[in-house]
Amino acid sequence: QQQVKQSPQSLIVQKGGISIINCAYENTAFDYFPWYQQFPGKGPALLIAIRPDVSEKKEGRFTISFNKSAKQFSLHIMDSQPGDSATYFCAARKETSGSRLTFGEGTQLTVNP
Amino acid sequence: DAGVIQSPRHEVTEMGQEVTLRCKPISGHNSLFWYRQTMMRGLELLIYFNNNVPIDDSGMPEDRFSAKMPNASFSTLKIQPSEPRDSAVYFCASSLAMGVRTLHFGNGTRLTVT
Repeated sequence: QQQVKQSPQSLIVQKGGISIINCAYENTAFDYFPWYQQFPGKGPALLIAIRPDVSEKKEGRFTISFNKSAKQFSLHIMDSQPGDSATYFCAARKETSGSRLTFGEGTQLTVNP
Repeated sequence: DAGVIQSPRHEVTEMGQEVTLRCKPISGHNSLFWYRQTMMRGLELLIYFNNNVPIDDSGMPEDRFSAKMPNASFSTLKIQPSEPRDSAVYFCASSLAMGVRTLHFGNGTRLTVT
């Protein structure tokens, strides 16, 4: 059972463009929503995270938008750069689950020069 | 901090052989996770430990898979016997169980079973 669904599976963006990746979740008990970034040959690393008490969080060029009523959240990468080319995973966690995360399927982002 | 250390980085073995993957979590972290990554299924949680005790192994695919955590600084994932469908990248991750619970991943072990 996939509790976090992510789209698109792959995304190609031109340098300077906006990359948008979407996720939807089912379990309303989730209370923490991180995004992880993974480069080839490396493990995923935390990029940015949000809690459902806010609708948006911004860190540099990366922004999470959160819609609690729709049970959706998205990652926006502004001014996308070739160095942003990586696989991005959304995830969700319940307070009662310790640090256990449920991951989306992943999105392979390619930013062309 | 050296981060989560996994070994080996690459493992190629023949079907039927035993495979042991190793993980050293970040010092002080008391939760440890084993994930498997494939193109078809993404990141799957296999098992996780809190304070060296297995909490949830429902993601372990079959009895051929087993995991141990004999102490706070070492864990193993064993596959016996291995099969070609076990080919994947296996990640170990660690975190604190309370407070800031960011999951830190190792760089993975790429397993190929021929």
